[in-house]
Amino acid sequence: GQNIDQPTEMTATEGAIVQINCTYQTSGFNGLFWYQQHAGEAPTFLSYNVLDGLEEKGRFSSFLSRSKGYSYLLLKELQMKDSASYLCAVFYNTDKLIFGTGTRLQVFP
Amino acid sequence: GAVVSQHPSRVICKSGTSVKIECRSLDFQATTMFWYRQFPKQSLMLMATSNEGSKATYEQGVEKDKFLINHASLTLSTLTVTSAHPEDSSFYICSANTGGVTDTQYFGPGTRLTVL
Repeated sequence: GQNIDQPTEMTATEGAIVQINCTYQTSGFNGLFWYQQHAGEAPTFLSYNVLDGLEEKGRFSSFLSRSKGYSYLLLKELQMKDSASYLCAVFYNTDKLIFGTGTRLQVFP
Repeated sequence: GAVVSQHPSRVICKSGTSVKIECRSLDFQATTMFWYRQFPKQSLMLMATSNEGSKATYEQGVEKDKFLINHASLTLSTLTVTSAHPEDSSFYICSANTGGVTDTQYFGPGTRLTVL
């Protein structure tokens, strides 16, 4: 199977920067997504990486290294509303999206 | 754009009954829809891939006779949990692929199923 690993929980302070890592198996890789999910709600799309490098979108950036099977999501200028679960999901082969375990981020004032 | 709806948002049923959950793509046609299940404090687990006009493809360990999927049109897929039991209580989420370059999946709001 395809294992996708993320830290289970992270904490950070309002205004700070936090990096959430994700590692995955590279066989059949076709792209990587990051989603944000608040408790009891469906995931919302944050970013997509298919080539190596950094994709920046406002306060959120996502990085990918295909050779290392590694990605991270960088959140800057943290706000209280950023407290949520962050899901790394890998697109394998045709159109199957496999999710990581998710990282619960808690932002403190 | 790319809005996916689910109905109902919440359902409580008795053990042994069947429950149908609808997933609709509101402003685009989705040849492929996906059904996920999420238990508390866990990530999303893909249950099956639903293709319009053909049989669904189920993931290993998912009983196709228990979780019936029908993709009747390009905008509607249904998941029926047959003879539901308390262990089927979960958050069920569908998603649809817009078919664009990034093949981004957009998720419905989810259905909270509680089986008593």
